[in-house]
Amino acid sequence: KAGVTQTPRYLIKTRGQQVTLSCSPISGHRSVSWYQQTPGQGLQFLFEYFSETQRNKGNFPGRFSGRQFSNSRSEMNVSTLELGDSALYLCASSLDLDREGYFGPGTRLTVT
Amino acid sequence: GESVGLHLPTLSVQEGDNSIINCAYSNSASDYFIWYKQESGKGPQFIIDIRSNMDKRQGQRVTVLLNKTVKHLSLQIAATQPGDSAVYFCAEINQAGTALIFGKGTTLSVSS
Repeated sequence: KAGVTQTPRYLIKTRGQQVTLSCSPISGHRSVSWYQQTPGQGLQFLFEYFSETQRNKGNFPGRFSGRQFSNSRSEMNVSTLELGDSALYLCASSLDLDREGYFGPGTRLTVT
Repeated sequence: GESVGLHLPTLSVQEGDNSIINCAYSNSASDYFIWYKQESGKGPQFIIDIRSNMDKRQGQRVTVLLNKTVKHLSLQIAATQPGDSAVYFCAEINQAGTALIFGKGTTLSVSS
């Protein structure tokens, strides 16, 4: 069974630009969660989608948004990038939030 | 507030020793906990989970113990190997059941 895939793996953007990251969950998983990982703040929850609906959202500004498609693939978008958005963005898929989650390798975003 | 923390940021052990990684959580209502392992350059990897109706759960070379009285979670790794070197995170479902809250992580270093 294929694991969680994320594209792109690495990205360099400049301040003010926007970016879209993609996540393909494990087949059959309907819950996709996104996390931001930085050395200072650790792993922080961004949002979670289940069957195309955003069920939960973390404490991030509105510049961070996402969506989920009917095939459970998910995208997250960050607009008006700031230097502080530089981080590893991880997505995790699971059958549901209270079931074991499987992470992708992440997208390393660098904002200059 | 909700928080999951780890007692030690780093742990160094010799190959073959047993390792114990500890985690304290603050939400007494949490009913689902997970341990993840993250190797350099990779996303977190699911190790083992436990629900609050259990005190102990065993996997392959790993055991998770849950002490609800003192809100403490631990991960025991038997016969630690160099390949176990990684950052270990504990996580809990938040009070609303809407997100996974991660601790800061413990870096386990195994020397031969």
